[in-house]
Amino acid sequence: GEDVEQSLFLSVREGDSSVINCTYTDSSSTYLYWYKQEPGAGLQLLTYIFSNMDMKQDQRLTVLLNKKDKHLSLRIADTQTGDSAIYFCAESSGGYQKVTFGTGTKLQVIP
Amino acid sequence: ETGVTQSPTHLIKTRGQQVTLRCSSQSGHNTVSWYQQALGQGPQFIFQYYREEENGRGNFPPRFSGLQFPNYSSELNVNALELDDSALYLCASSLPLAGNSGANVLTFGAGSRLTVL
Repeated sequence: GEDVEQSLFLSVREGDSSVINCTYTDSSSTYLYWYKQEPGAGLQLLTYIFSNMDMKQDQRLTVLLNKKDKHLSLRIADTQTGDSAIYFCAESSGGYQKVTFGTGTKLQVIP
Repeated sequence: ETGVTQSPTHLIKTRGQQVTLRCSSQSGHNTVSWYQQALGQGPQFIFQYYREEENGRGNFPPRFSGLQFPNYSSELNVNALELDDSALYLCASSLPLAGNSGANVLTFGAGSRLTVL
């Protein structure tokens, strides 16, 4: 079955880079996603990557995918206090297949 | 364009009761998914509706049921509520996909927080 795992908590200083890691088990995962959830809100898509890519960069965000090890990471450059939130890794097999989420990593940014 | 809206935002029920949660999908989105997010956990897939039919279901009992209407809005119904049903229920809509491929990019509502006493 599908399983997506993340570390629970990460604390960084403002201005530093944050790296949030995720591992998944489903070999048929075709798309890997990163979502952000702020307190009292739903989830917001940050970015996603197709499984035949190794890296995707979008402004301050860099996603790295190691398909062999089923490992995904999200790097946030120049982390700001507004980046404090819970970050969810997720995967799907493409099309209308369900999206499976990890347990979330709470990012705390210290001013 | 309006996003995904859910109602009610908060509600309290007692064990054994029934609840209906509502969701209006984002304009142009024809697929609606429902997720349950328990406190401190990630969202768990309940089911998905496409063209008014259930199109995929997670590991939830039959007392969780849903509907999708011609305007793509949706309802989640939960019968015989249990204490463990207390959670944030998230609705997400997504764009039509070309064929059965492509990223399933979900646009989430803010959720309905259900407390079962």
